[in-house]
Amino acid sequence: EPEVTQTPSHQVTQMGQEVILRCVPISNHLYFYWYRQILGQKVEFLVSFYNNEISEKSEIFDDQFSVERPDGSNFTLKIRSTKLEDSAMYFCASSDRGRRGYTFGSGTRLTVV
Amino acid sequence: DQQVKQNSPSLSVQEGRISILNCDYTNSMFDYFLWYKKYPAEGPTFLISISSIKDKNEDGRFTVFLNKSAKHLSLHIVPSQPGDSAVYFCAAKLSAGGTSYGKLTFGQGTILTVHP
Repeated sequence: EPEVTQTPSHQVTQMGQEVILRCVPISNHLYFYWYRQILGQKVEFLVSFYNNEISEKSEIFDDQFSVERPDGSNFTLKIRSTKLEDSAMYFCASSDRGRRGYTFGSGTRLTVV
Repeated sequence: DQQVKQNSPSLSVQEGRISILNCDYTNSMFDYFLWYKKYPAEGPTFLISISSIKDKNEDGRFTVFLNKSAKHLSLHIVPSQPGDSAVYFCAAKLSAGGTSYGKLTFGQGTILTVHP
């Protein structure tokens, strides 16, 4: 079964530092997403990406966040200056136009200290 | 943002019995609903979905029921197995034609424990 791959599985960073979370979506999928889950809270939508541009973003996704698909396979989430409250599990997902749900990656646990 | 709510944080069931997980939503514009299962240290895994034009969808041991007038959906697992123990999330979306792309709004999740 095709998978969405996320690296690293765990990232610890100092407050104010930039982090890049990486994802390799399923190869024939067209839509790409980032979600996050703060410990004990809901899974929250951050951003969706289609045709090399952001198609929708949440109010969480402010100017500190950016996404990029630098080549045909990777999809990255950059946080420019991390804050303590950015500590969360970050999930990448991809989907096609079919009727099944997205496929999520296993997540990157980001810890900001 | 409480548009999708799972009011039971946990559910404990005996192996072989039925598990019923519930979900309520407030946004009447939602027209596609999904259930995901999540194990610790893994991403959510798609289980089953239902479009608002249906009231029931079945896939093996999993059945999702949708009551649009009550804005309520439920997931039935019959028979429950210990391997079903996980966190179950319902999610809803606004969709064009019931397709799977677009933003998902998740509930808080219900921890299901199936005892042998």
